Amino acid sequence: EIHMTQSPTSLSASVGDSVTITCRASQSISIYLNWYQQQPGKAPKLLIYEASTLQTGVPSRFSGRGSRTEFTLTIVNLQPEDFATYYCQLAYITPYNFGQGTKVEI
Amino acid sequence: EVQVVQSGAAVKKPGESLRISCKASGYTFSNYWIGWVRQMPGKGLEWMGIIYPDDSQTRYKPSFEGQVTISADKSISTVYLQWSDLKASDTAMYYCARQGETEGGPADFWGQGTLVTVSS
Repeated sequence: EIHMTQSPTSLSASVGDSVTITCRASQSISIYLNWYQQQPGKAPKLLIYEASTLQTGVPSRFSGRGSRTEFTLTIVNLQPEDFATYYCQLAYITPYNFGQGTKVEI
Repeated sequence: EVQVVQSGAAVKKPGESLRISCKASGYTFSNYWIGWVRQMPGKGLEWMGIIYPDDSQTRYKPSFEGQVTISADKSISTVYLQWSDLKASDTAMYYCARQGETEGGPADFWGQGTLVTVSS
């Protein structure tokens, strides 16, 4: 089973800042990685799939990079609605484990 | 328009059985995998398992295998998550999500969640 580890577990930022979240896989997973955003009390929302492809309708201030074991999610020019918890998820290799989440707070 | 709608909240006692549902519309139901995700109170997301409605192929995370059953009824475009012996530790929010035409694809449309509370 492949395990996904995110860092940091939480971070503080301000509107207009840029932040980067890292996700590491316990073994090489090519580009088989998704990123999700979850706002409090809501269902998760797909942001990025296959490490760097932006889901339709997601603002371009979100970007993803990486391959094999190390991946990043970057948000530039943070907006108030971006304060949420972000999860990476393994794709195409079962079980499709999630990282533990990174909470972005003000 | 793709929509995924889950059944309402459930309150059960330990040892009871439960089936919650996830109804999808707006696309060819049989051709997309649908998965279930658990979120315990104040915790992160846990992938539980997935089903392909066309032939009911299923995959489970090992820690959920034998603890829950995922099934589908393609005649009514509905997927189910079922327990036969609930425990207090099953208390959580459960989400279903469409998870691609290809097995393991991204979860692009999510249900609103079903809160399951198990308490004596």
